[in-house]
Amino acid sequence: AQTVTQSQPEMSVQEAETVTLSCTYDTSESDYYLFWYKQPPSRQMILVIRQEAYKQQNATENRFSVNFQKAAKSFSLKISDSQLGDAAMYFCAYNPGNQFYFGTGTSLTVIP
Amino acid sequence: KAGVTQTPRYLIKTRGQQVTLSCSPISGHRSVSWYQQTPGQGLQFLFEYFSETQRNKGNFPGRFSGRQFSNSRSEMNVSTLELGDSALYLCASSLGMNTEAFFGQGTRLTVV
Repeated sequence: AQTVTQSQPEMSVQEAETVTLSCTYDTSESDYYLFWYKQPPSRQMILVIRQEAYKQQNATENRFSVNFQKAAKSFSLKISDSQLGDAAMYFCAYNPGNQFYFGTGTSLTVIP
Repeated sequence: KAGVTQTPRYLIKTRGQQVTLSCSPISGHRSVSWYQQTPGQGLQFLFEYFSETQRNKGNFPGRFSGRQFSNSRSEMNVSTLELGDSALYLCASSLGMNTEAFFGQGTRLTVV
């Protein structure tokens, strides 16, 4: 079974600080894609960052970076210099090529 | 260019009725996927269409169906509505299933 686990239902971070959101997944596939999506109160899911499993280098998008550990099936998201606009629900997602499997989400609060 | 458009944004239906939701993908995107989001079950995959063909289907009863038109617009239909069908229904479009998915703002369905 292909599952995605986010063990932190809620996280908080001080503005300008760094926070790391955890994600693990279970799969027998060797080639797949991993994503972090953000869902603010407006409900629209927005892509934060994407990682191809065949790439060893960790993806980075401005203040967002990932720590991808393929052997451990771990895919954490690091947000640096947190901003108030980062407050949202964050979903980790796995895609082996036919559909997205989402985790249960982590609600991130940014404290001014 | 325009994003993914879902209509209507909000819908209230009575048990036993049927409902049709619409999704217009980003121009050029031929893959459209549907997801159900509830507080209890999280984000669950309903089905995916590519060039008018259903390529993949999630574990939902036959009351949930969909289709895709030649212009890539997609509709999903839920017949004989149940209270448990109350959810946010999200549509996502992409160039292919292993590429970035762009989500619409969703349709909030309430069954009373």
